[in-house]
Amino acid sequence: GAVVSQHPSRVICKSGTSVKIECRSLDFQATTMFWYRQFPKQSLMLMATSNEGSKATYEQGVEKDKFLINHASLTLSTLTVTSAHPEDSSFYICSASIQTEAFFGQGTRLTVV
Amino acid sequence: GEDVEQSLFLSVREGDSSVINCTYTDSSSTYLYWYKQEPGAGLQLLTYIFSNMDMKQDQRLTVLLNKKDKHLSLRIADTQTGDSAIYFCATGGYNKLIFGAGTRLAVHP
Repeated sequence: GAVVSQHPSRVICKSGTSVKIECRSLDFQATTMFWYRQFPKQSLMLMATSNEGSKATYEQGVEKDKFLINHASLTLSTLTVTSAHPEDSSFYICSASIQTEAFFGQGTRLTVV
Repeated sequence: GEDVEQSLFLSVREGDSSVINCTYTDSSSTYLYWYKQEPGAGLQLLTYIFSNMDMKQDQRLTVLLNKKDKHLSLRIADTQTGDSAIYFCATGGYNKLIFGAGTRLAVHP
């Protein structure tokens, strides 16, 4: 199946700093990518839909100024967590779709200390 | 809004069958999915079923869909220790999935 690569897999940052997470579709072009957040022992919640060449669409309750999404090319979307706080610590997963299937990255474990 | 519910935990003996259940509210879902998540990893698509089907079998996996009751199940035959993971049911279109909370499957000897 198609491969979606997410980097880094794990990051620890200090409170107040910004962290960038990359999501790449390795063998296909993705006009749309999705960013999810998973809290411990909970399900994945869709944060935003990333559209190549245009602004991302954020789900209700997600702060667009805090979670900056850029989809500069058909194979790369980035999520930047700005001014991170401990409550932003979570597991972030991106996905990209082809026809009926959604392919997920490996996820990024963010810990803000 | 749409909701997907699953039991949180299932324990089975190695070699037995596992059945993981899911109920959902969105009757307009085109596809229904089962994903597997191993510790610290992303999601792996196990199988999916189109909403006009009532059963799909793929090797050890059998998916049953009762559209009237909005009930989806995943049966894993001959469960192995490598099947230990969290299994997520998801509904919706492929581009916007609604996930259940996940069922943790524990396989013991």
